[in-house]
Amino acid sequence: DGGITQSPKYLFRKEGQNVTLSCEQNLNHDAMYWYRQDPGQGLRLIYYSQIVNDFQKGDIAEGYSVSREKKESFPLTVTSAQKNPTAFYLCASSTTPGLAVAYEQYFGPGTRLTVT
Amino acid sequence: AQSVTQLGSHVSVSEGALVLLRCNYSSSVPPYLFWYVQYPNQGLQLLLKYTSAATLVKGINGFEAEFKKSETSFHLTKPSAHMSDAAEYFCAVTGGGSARQLTFGSGTQLTVLP
Repeated sequence: DGGITQSPKYLFRKEGQNVTLSCEQNLNHDAMYWYRQDPGQGLRLIYYSQIVNDFQKGDIAEGYSVSREKKESFPLTVTSAQKNPTAFYLCASSTTPGLAVAYEQYFGPGTRLTVT
Repeated sequence: AQSVTQLGSHVSVSEGALVLLRCNYSSSVPPYLFWYVQYPNQGLQLLLKYTSAATLVKGINGFEAEFKKSETSFHLTKPSAHMSDAAEYFCAVTGGGSARQLTFGSGTQLTVLP
């Protein structure tokens, strides 16, 4: 079955440590996104990538980094510079540009990160 | 630029009653609009989408939404609520362009009372 996988489901880290969240898709989508979700605030865009080896900052990129070395993979690193890293992180992907369907994003199951 | 406002962060309905979740948008270009549902500790699932075809859009699980340009609204409805509809619902808008970014509302938590 095609879809997006995120691992792990739950992640615990000590303050000051970097941590990398995995996102893999087998939908052959060219665009991928990372969102952060906090209670009552909806989803906020961290980074997005429209093509391999290229990515753009979203609304809240500070303290985060990404890479896009393969079409299928878009890992997110939460660095020690992120002041409030505890949140639910969602990865999404979307398909070919130029079509209305391109704006429909498919989401992974999420990773809940807790930093203490 | 575009934005979304969801009126009511929490909505409660009785089982079998009408569900109405409100969404108003702002967009400088003709928008594409989406409703997503999220169950606890899960990702978002697309319920339905408006992409400039029919203004009344039917989605999964008996939900539908009507695009009203004059009111800049895209409210989500379901004639009869079921216990399994209890979840958080997000409205999202994109103004088009190559970036394909979505702007999400802050969400509405739907509670279904027995």
